[in-house]
Amino acid sequence: GAVVSQHPSRVICKSGTSVKIECRSLDFQATTMFWYRQFPKQSLMLMATSNEGSKATYEQGVEKDKFLINHASLTLSTLTVTSAHPEDSSFYICSARRGRDTGELFFGEGSRLTVL
Amino acid sequence: KQEVTQIPAALSVPEGENLVLNCSFTDSAIYNLQWFRQDPGKGLTSLLLIQSSQREQTSGRLNASLDKSSGRSTLYIAASQPGDSATYLCAVNTGGFKTIFGAGTRLFVKA
Repeated sequence: GAVVSQHPSRVICKSGTSVKIECRSLDFQATTMFWYRQFPKQSLMLMATSNEGSKATYEQGVEKDKFLINHASLTLSTLTVTSAHPEDSSFYICSARRGRDTGELFFGEGSRLTVL
Repeated sequence: KQEVTQIPAALSVPEGENLVLNCSFTDSAIYNLQWFRQDPGKGLTSLLLIQSSQREQTSGRLNASLDKSSGRSTLYIAASQPGDSATYLCAVNTGGFKTIFGAGTRLFVKA
């Protein structure tokens, strides 16, 4: 099946630093990718929709200056958590839909961010 | 507004048992429905995708059905194994880049 790769799987950083997470679709082009945040034992919370070549669309309540999204190519989207604080510690997951609106959704392996 | 509900929230069964996980949604205007599996600390693995025009999909011991008119989908797991222990999520694609997820069913299969 199609593969979406996410890196790094785990990252620990100091408060105030910035962290970049990459999401790649390995065997299909993705004009749109999605970034989620997941709290322990809870379902996924959509943070933003990443659009290739244009600005990301953020969900209500998500700070776009805190969570910078760049979708520079058809296979790569990045999420940068800027000036990270301990409350930003979470599990971040990306996904991409193969094909058009009715295509299958594939997820990355997730990235565990811990801010000290 | 589309809402997706999964019942039960948690389930514990002995190995070998057949089981059914339920997913219901409030708006039948969907593009498709997808079932995922999530292991602790991992991303989601796609199990089955059912398009709105389809009634069911099968993969190995898994069978998923879709009844759009009643807003229901079920995931049937035959002859469950300890390796099936995970959280199962259903996700409804409503189009316009919107996918609504259920809260999941945590399954534990006892050896």
